Amino acid sequence: GAVVSQHPSWVICKSGTSVKIECRSLDFQATTMFWYRQFPKQSLMLMATSNEGSKATYEQGVEKDKFLINHASLTLSTLTVTSAHPEDSSFYICSVNSGGSTDTQYFGPGTRLTVL
Amino acid sequence: AQRVTQPEKLLSVFKGAPVELKCNYSYSGSPELFWYVQYSRQRLQLLLRHISRESIKGFTADLNKGETSFHLKKPFAQEEDSAMYYCALHAGGTSYGKLTFGQGTILTVHP
Repeated sequence: GAVVSQHPSWVICKSGTSVKIECRSLDFQATTMFWYRQFPKQSLMLMATSNEGSKATYEQGVEKDKFLINHASLTLSTLTVTSAHPEDSSFYICSVNSGGSTDTQYFGPGTRLTVL
Repeated sequence: AQRVTQPEKLLSVFKGAPVELKCNYSYSGSPELFWYVQYSRQRLQLLLRHISRESIKGFTADLNKGETSFHLKKPFAQEEDSAMYYCALHAGGTSYGKLTFGQGTILTVHP
């Protein structure tokens, strides 16, 4: 299956700063990637669908100006949390769809963001 | 809109005992259901999907459209089965690849 990496694995930042998280598909060209947010021992909440070469599609209630997504190539999508606040502290996970409309999703290891 | 419910947040069993993790869904169309597992300090990974009708690591799950359920079962639990389990639904159509996850169930298998 697809191998997905995320960088950094954890980051601590000050309130008001911006943080960029990278999601890379190491062995698969992904036209579509997904970004999730996970609170401790809770479910994954889909934030947005990242589409290569076009604008991301955000889920209802997710601020697109706060969570900027760029999918500039078939192997890289980035999520930038702008003007981060403590309530943005969470675990952010990306996934790659291996092909087809319902084929297997492969998940990255996640990025732990802590905003002080 | 679709919804996935896992009523048990925590489930504890002893090694060798049968285990069933419940999953119910609501969706007006014909869904595709999945079970994902997250072992300690590992990433989320696919365990099984209903269209495959296969048994993975001794786990099986049958889609019951009448009861809108997709419960995960294993006749004899092992300690290495301890993990967080998520039921997920794909609605199809224009929701290309998008999954709706349940709240997750933490399974602990005691020796």
